[in-house]
Amino acid sequence: SSELTQDPTVSVALGQTVKITCQGDSLRNYYASWYQQKPGQAPVLVIYGKNNRPSGIPDRFSGSSSGNTASLTITGAQAEDEADYYCNSRDTSGYHLGLFGGGTKLTVL
Amino acid sequence: QVQLQESGPGLVKPSETLSLTCNVSGGSISSYYWNWIRQPPGKGLEWIGYVSYSGNTNYNPSLKSRLTIYMDLSKNQFSLKLSSVTAADTAVYYCARMGALAGTHWFDPWGQGTLVIVSS
Repeated sequence: SSELTQDPTVSVALGQTVKITCQGDSLRNYYASWYQQKPGQAPVLVIYGKNNRPSGIPDRFSGSSSGNTASLTITGAQAEDEADYYCNSRDTSGYHLGLFGGGTKLTVL
Repeated sequence: QVQLQESGPGLVKPSETLSLTCNVSGGSISSYYWNWIRQPPGKGLEWIGYVSYSGNTNYNPSLKSRLTIYMDLSKNQFSLKLSSVTAADTAVYYCARMGALAGTHWFDPWGQGTLVIVSS
């Protein structure tokens, strides 16, 4: 088994670029997917695979991966990007799909 | 587009069985993987498990002994049963469709979620 580690809080000035990271052994072999969750709402997929955005997700969201770290980058953060962000991947066995990071609360200043 | 909607009791007594159903509209459940994910109040997300389009299941090891996920193709819905619940099972329960390719998977879309409280 393994776990995914995220910084609990990150802040960014309006219009600036921010990177949210997710660390875990399984990320050496599997891509992460990223979810945005606003208060009282269900999570929304923002990035999956190598760097794929679902329809309707702004192109200021991008993903990358290096070694045991996956990253979600927001280029030109907007006020509406303030939310919790969760990464997800498989465990190191590759069989169990439900490894979530603890979440990062993004504050846009 | 595909939409998911959870339904079931909002209050369950300790030691009883929690039962939820996810109704899928706008697409067939005879493809993809169909998941349950929960979120205790004020906490992070926890994957519960899935049932695949072929009826195969994959469960979170920590819940496996109490868990059953199954699908009803005729109703285009899938369901969750979690037995012997305790207060630790209090959470918002989401259903979600999962897509997968080699080396990656993703949950999209999600239902709006339903709060289940375990209390006497």
